Amino acid sequence: NAGVTQTPKFRVLKTGQSMTLLCAQDMNHEYMYWYRQDPGMGLRLIHYSVGEGTTAKGEVPDGYNVSRLKKQNFLLGLESAAPSQTSVYFCASSTRMGSPTFSETQYFGPGTRLLVL
Amino acid sequence: RKEVEQDPGPFNVPEGATVAFNCTYSNSASQSFFWYRQDCRKEPKLLMSVYSSGNEDGRFTAQLNRASQYISLLIRDSKLSDSATYLCVVNRVDSSYKLIFGSGTRLLVRP
Repeated sequence: NAGVTQTPKFRVLKTGQSMTLLCAQDMNHEYMYWYRQDPGMGLRLIHYSVGEGTTAKGEVPDGYNVSRLKKQNFLLGLESAAPSQTSVYFCASSTRMGSPTFSETQYFGPGTRLLVL
Repeated sequence: RKEVEQDPGPFNVPEGATVAFNCTYSNSASQSFFWYRQDCRKEPKLLMSVYSSGNEDGRFTAQLNRASQYISLLIRDSKLSDSATYLCVVNRVDSSYKLIFGSGTRLLVRP
């Protein structure tokens, strides 16, 4: 099993350009997440999905869109990149909750480093 | 105030030392607690979950103090390979599948 994979690993964009980050998982997980990680800050949730065809906003959704057309894939789009979106982006997945109060472990992909000039 | 707070470190310790990290969380209703490890330029990986009664995994011991709202991680007999950033993680109370990550404590173990 590959677990969670992300493409690309690294990308440089100019301000205003668009791009899509792809996340794929082969663990049959229901839930998927996109985070960004910036120096001195914890991972912040951008968007998440609780199942195929569903998406929802996290803490920092502005400037990003997502889609989950297939259970194993979760795409993160930047329509018009800005320097403030320079960051490391991590995708994660987890199984369906067995309890409403207990969180399952999240498994992370290797990350995408994005530089917006 | 951040929802999850950690001392950023770095903690610089010799091999064989015992080191402890604390983490505080703001919402007393949080139910799930974890320690993740993140190596430089890598993804976070689960180190251990933290249970109310405390739990141990080899050289690692995690404790939860609900009254004071803090979580601790103790590493005994530190190895060079323990050098990493340790992330304290709790679940969001409004939705159990969403996690809140601390900014991490950096550990450097020297020979």
